[in-house]
Amino acid sequence: GQNIDQPTEMTATEGAIVQINCTYQTSGFNGLFWYQQHAGEAPTFLSYNVLDGLEEKGRFSSFLSRSKGYSYLLLKELQMKDSASYLCAVMDSNYQLIWGAGTKLIIKP
Amino acid sequence: GAVVSQHPSWVICKSGTSVKIECRSLDFQATTMFWYRQFPKQSLMLMATSNEGSKATYEQGVEKDKFLINHASLTLSTLTVTSAHPEDSSFYICSAPSGVHNEQFFGPGTRLTVL
Repeated sequence: GQNIDQPTEMTATEGAIVQINCTYQTSGFNGLFWYQQHAGEAPTFLSYNVLDGLEEKGRFSSFLSRSKGYSYLLLKELQMKDSASYLCAVMDSNYQLIWGAGTKLIIKP
Repeated sequence: GAVVSQHPSWVICKSGTSVKIECRSLDFQATTMFWYRQFPKQSLMLMATSNEGSKATYEQGVEKDKFLINHASLTLSTLTVTSAHPEDSSFYICSAPSGVHNEQFFGPGTRLTVL
């Protein structure tokens, strides 16, 4: 079966760095997405990786290793507004998105 | 980025009534749109894939006669929750793929409360 695993909840301090991991087992691979979802709102697109390596976008970076079925989202210089759930999603060989359950990130002052 | 709208943003209805939710792609065309449901503190659950000009594809466990989907044009998909019951109360979100990587752009969601 298809499966995506990410931690349920993480806590970090304002100004610090946090890494949210995602491991996946899917039938085929056509890219991995990270989304941010604030409570009561719809998800917003953060990043896309299809090749191995690191993609940097401002304070956020996303890394992919296809051979390990592994990705992480790295958030630097954490701000209180970064408190949200972060969703990992993989597009399989049928171009269907398989969603992880999300990681709730709590930022403390 | 691409913009997807949903209407209404929230709705309260009596048990047994039907509710229609609209999803529109405002600045792009979408032959495919997706409908999700999200209960409090739970993950997104894909309900169905809406296909322009053809029948929707429903996920296992989702009743197609209860959740009617119509994708009448390249910019509009509708989800009708028929004979709604309190257990249907949830956050309903639509999305459509666009952009270089076909990333999903989400509507703002519709919060349905059935009394």
